[in-house]
Amino acid sequence: VQMTQSPSYLSASPGESVSISCKASKSISNNLAWYQEKPGKANKLLIHSGSTLQSGTPSRFSGSGSGTDFTLTIRSLESEDFAVYYCQQYNEYPLTFGSGTKLEIK
Amino acid sequence: EVQLVESGGGLVQPGRSMKLSCAASGFTFNNYDMAWVCQAPKKGLEWVATISYDGSSTYYRDSVKGRFTISRDNIKSTLYLQMDSLRSEDTATYYCARQARGFAYWGQGTLVTVSS
Repeated sequence: VQMTQSPSYLSASPGESVSISCKASKSISNNLAWYQEKPGKANKLLIHSGSTLQSGTPSRFSGSGSGTDFTLTIRSLESEDFAVYYCQQYNEYPLTFGSGTKLEIK
Repeated sequence: EVQLVESGGGLVQPGRSMKLSCAASGFTFNNYDMAWVCQAPKKGLEWVATISYDGSSTYYRDSVKGRFTISRDNIKSTLYLQMDSLRSEDTATYYCARQARGFAYWGQGTLVTVSS
């Protein structure tokens, strides 16, 4: 399953809201996870099952979608949110990731 | 607290072997599938291999099939990745991760550099 993630880069200001898209090449039901990558820190699972927040994920993060189209939305951006985000399908092997979205401060 | 600590990376020549280890603590290791995920320099994340909670099933990405072997020791709470016939394109940071509806916990990674 190929995962097409867009955009590759996103520039936004604190307080704004952003959305990241992830499209699967075939239906993956809701077997999709979102991760946050920050330098020097372990990768963090934000959302699983398409829309379920992992324990500890702030409520300003939300996930939506099922089948082939998914979206990660971050509302009211905070400084700690500027990072790289990946989607990943776990519906079937080989497990596959999107190519990543780098969220930068404007 | 869940901890995953990788070790065993370093510089290795093409065609040689290397074995990575991941020491797990803070959870019941034999209850979870475990995985290796890699990230080449300045690239994205790529899944490498998964082993089931009891070691009975393993899964690999095509590019490492026949060269890499994932294994685990549930007594020692340790995950392994034996990497044979290494190629320059295997150069990456390798992370171990606990797998259940995604990868809920990750280690900090160990860098493997394949170069002559």
